[in-house]
Amino acid sequence: ETGVTQTPRHLVMGMTNKKSLKCEQHLGHNAMYWYKQSAKKPLELMFVYSLEERVENNSVPSRFSPECPNSSHLFLHLHTLQPEDSALYLCASSQEGGTGELFFGEGSRLTVL
Amino acid sequence: AQSVTQLGSHVSVSEGALVLLRCNYSSSVPPYLFWYVQYPNQGLQLLLKYTTGATLVKGINGFEAEFKKSETSFHLTKPSAHMSDAAEYFCAVSANFGNEKLTFGTGTRLTIIP
Repeated sequence: ETGVTQTPRHLVMGMTNKKSLKCEQHLGHNAMYWYKQSAKKPLELMFVYSLEERVENNSVPSRFSPECPNSSHLFLHLHTLQPEDSALYLCASSQEGGTGELFFGEGSRLTVL
Repeated sequence: AQSVTQLGSHVSVSEGALVLLRCNYSSSVPPYLFWYVQYPNQGLQLLLKYTTGATLVKGINGFEAEFKKSETSFHLTKPSAHMSDAAEYFCAVSANFGNEKLTFGTGTRLTIIP
């Protein structure tokens, strides 16, 4: 596989469930990101990992928990979500020290019932 | 600090007509500029980018953009719209020292009228 792959593409969960989103990049990049895209809102940066260390966390609620076990994999663990958390969650990667260009996955569409 | 303003959240053009999507940026340092496209239920895909050198940048699918420093603009154009161009388009900026994260505009949804 090439590029950035995200699984699952679609996820429906109840407010009491625990689930995880997975992202894998095959580009040899050293930074990975989670973005939230909600209808009629700008793209929202949630977390940034550079060299597997979290370097940015934009005041995201604790019900979202990221994990970056290595430079190729990124997870977003979800628990006790709210209906307003329903959105498209996009993973991206980049090379630190480069142009800042991001390479995105196709996203995981999350619906919280 | 950087910011991006995309004028017009929705743009409609007829098939075969010129596409013009506007983007103005604010940056305290020379910027890197990007246009991304997002098709329904998909992630963002890079359309084109300006880093240094030639100010007219050509991208995929016949799109191009021109960096105009005096106008702080990076408008996206395509001479002849195709139905497959219907999507949402995002302009983005980063600082040219490579460590600044991308700042995105709010997006412009392009509709193509048959």
